[in-house]
Amino acid sequence: QKEVEQDPGPLSVPEGAIVSLNCTYSNSAFQYFMWYRQYSRKGPELLMYTYSSGNKEDGRFTAQVDKSSKYISLFIRDSQPSDSATYLCAMSFNSGGYQKVTFGTGTKLQVIP
Amino acid sequence: EPEVTQTPSHQVTQMGQEVILRCVPISNHLYFYWYRQILGQKVEFLVSFYNNEISEKSEIFDDQFSVERPDGSNFTLKIRSTKLEDSAMYFCASSGPRDMVGRSGNTIYFGEGSWLTVV
Repeated sequence: QKEVEQDPGPLSVPEGAIVSLNCTYSNSAFQYFMWYRQYSRKGPELLMYTYSSGNKEDGRFTAQVDKSSKYISLFIRDSQPSDSATYLCAMSFNSGGYQKVTFGTGTKLQVIP
Repeated sequence: EPEVTQTPSHQVTQMGQEVILRCVPISNHLYFYWYRQILGQKVEFLVSFYNNEISEKSEIFDDQFSVERPDGSNFTLKIRSTKLEDSAMYFCASSGPRDMVGRSGNTIYFGEGSWLTVV
């Protein structure tokens, strides 16, 4: 079983739709959960960061973590064409001060005007 | 807002040549990383670096790779003798402690990447 599993998509939605992106993980040591957005041939851009079970909201984005089920989600409300990108889930734990991060494969999202 | 900056953005090199990729991490960050992403594949960890030493390296980071912090601001990745399979985007990242704009020390921030093409 992979440490982090993420559906690669692609996921195609109409503008204004609610998007749900998901990842599962197997390593109970993960403490921190992130979502990055990556445009083509660009670096990952941190969108959301959380460390506890529950929901965290930032504008149109909501990150959800369920540690008991080892499942995290990112919801995008009122999706826009500019949201078209690859979304990477990432999980980490603190290893002697530095962060040991494992990424999912990324889900490619296309929002159609 | 301070960012991780990388140079060059794109480099084409011949197989067997040495390549140095450069990074300026976020000021006040103490931990530095290199990641790699082969086109269409996931982001993979290469190496972490703290206090002028490698903290951890992956199996990808073999003897052909080395990292260095030659001064107080730059962090470099050297590939001694490039192979075709080294063609990828290389991302530098940095983390912790909580920096001057209040960003968490528990996550890492990436540069825009250096696209390496080995021919």
